[in-house]
Amino acid sequence: EAGVAQSPRYKIIEKRQSVAFWCNPISGHATLYWYQQILGQGPKLLIQFQNNGVVDDSQLPKDRFSAERLKGVDSTLKIQPAKLEDSAVYLCASSNSGRVTDTQYFGPGTRLTVL
Amino acid sequence: AQRVTQPEKLLSVFKGAPVELKCNYSYSGSPELFWYVQYSRQRLQLLLRHISRESIKGFTADLNKGETSFHLKKPFAQEEDSAMYYCALSGPYTDKLIFGTGTRLQVFP
Repeated sequence: EAGVAQSPRYKIIEKRQSVAFWCNPISGHATLYWYQQILGQGPKLLIQFQNNGVVDDSQLPKDRFSAERLKGVDSTLKIQPAKLEDSAVYLCASSNSGRVTDTQYFGPGTRLTVL
Repeated sequence: AQRVTQPEKLLSVFKGAPVELKCNYSYSGSPELFWYVQYSRQRLQLLLRHISRESIKGFTADLNKGETSFHLKKPFAQEEDSAMYYCALSGPYTDKLIFGTGTRLQVFP
């Protein structure tokens, strides 16, 4: 089966600019996650969707980050305006139904550099 | 607070040597524990999980609730084991993963 797809793979922007990332989960997976991985750290969950509803966005900086999954399939994560500290790899993952026993499958990530 | 600690950033061993990647956690309750691995130029992927009590690619991990540890072990390291390893936990009623900072394993020939 096809894995989780993400685009773009790399993005370089200047601070205060806007950027958007796209994710297409594994077909049929109801749960979608966005993680932020800063260099030298482990991934940190930003937001979790169950179909098109938000389950957890407690660590999403809502003043500048937004995410949507309108049709319960693919998702976009947006940063507006970007700050230097947003430089990181943004990982998208999906799982079948979000149960603890389900495996999360990760995409290749988008590496964002903010200058 | 829920936390995963991996004290070693880098672990270097020679092929055939035993490997132990350390993971300690803090969690109020009974967490589910996982090891994820990222090989060079590949995606982050699940290696093994505590609840399955499985051995994958020769790796095992035992949950020690008294020491709040979930160390990853392999008796004889192979060069292809070289990768970044992340320990992670989730709660019994939520699949939200909390990751450690990772340990890079280098296996020299």
